Amino acid sequence: DIQMTQSPSSLSASIGDIVTITCRASQSVYTYLHWYQQKPGRAPTLLIYAASNLQNGVPSRFRGSGSGTSFTLTISGLQPEDFATYYCQQTHRTPRTFGQGTIVDIK
Amino acid sequence: QVQLVQSGAEVKQPGASVRISCKTSGYTFTSYDMHWVRQVPGQGLEWMGRVTPSSGATDYAQKFQGRFTMTTDTSMKTAYMEVTSLTSDDTALYYCARARSPDSGSHLFWGQGTLVTVSS
Repeated sequence: DIQMTQSPSSLSASIGDIVTITCRASQSVYTYLHWYQQKPGRAPTLLIYAASNLQNGVPSRFRGSGSGTSFTLTISGLQPEDFATYYCQQTHRTPRTFGQGTIVDIK
Repeated sequence: QVQLVQSGAEVKQPGASVRISCKTSGYTFTSYDMHWVRQVPGQGLEWMGRVTPSSGATDYAQKFQGRFTMTTDTSMKTAYMEVTSLTSDDTALYYCARARSPDSGSHLFWGQGTLVTVSS
């Protein structure tokens, strides 16, 4: 199985901050890498697909980059509604593994 | 619009079985695989597997082979996920999810989740 490792596991940030979350794959997943946001009690929502494509309706402050084994989700100008847990997922190989998640909370 | 509506919460005793449904609308059911994702309370997301409605073919993560069965009813546009021989380790929120497009792996559409509690 492809292991997905996110860092950090959690972070505290303030409104307006730039936040960067990293996702590393145990082998190349090319750009078959997607980012989700999950708020408590809610299903995940798709933010970024295929490493760098912003899903329709997602604010442009979210940006994804990377390929191969190293990927980044950047939130430029953190907003109150962005406090949540973020997951990466690879869909290059079955099983389609998720990272363990990164909790973004308020400093 | 695309909708995935899951069945309600279940409380089961150890050793019992449970079947969760995911009723779809707003798209051609047979054109998209249905995926299932598990989330143990307070923990992360686990991809369990997928079922291809047009053929009934399934693809399970190794951890979910054996006691877990994914099926579909194309006439009802509904996907099902059954778990047998339940243990407390199966207490979790189970989501169905559909891809953004037939050739995309990303899950754009999600059900609301079904909480299964296994307790004596």
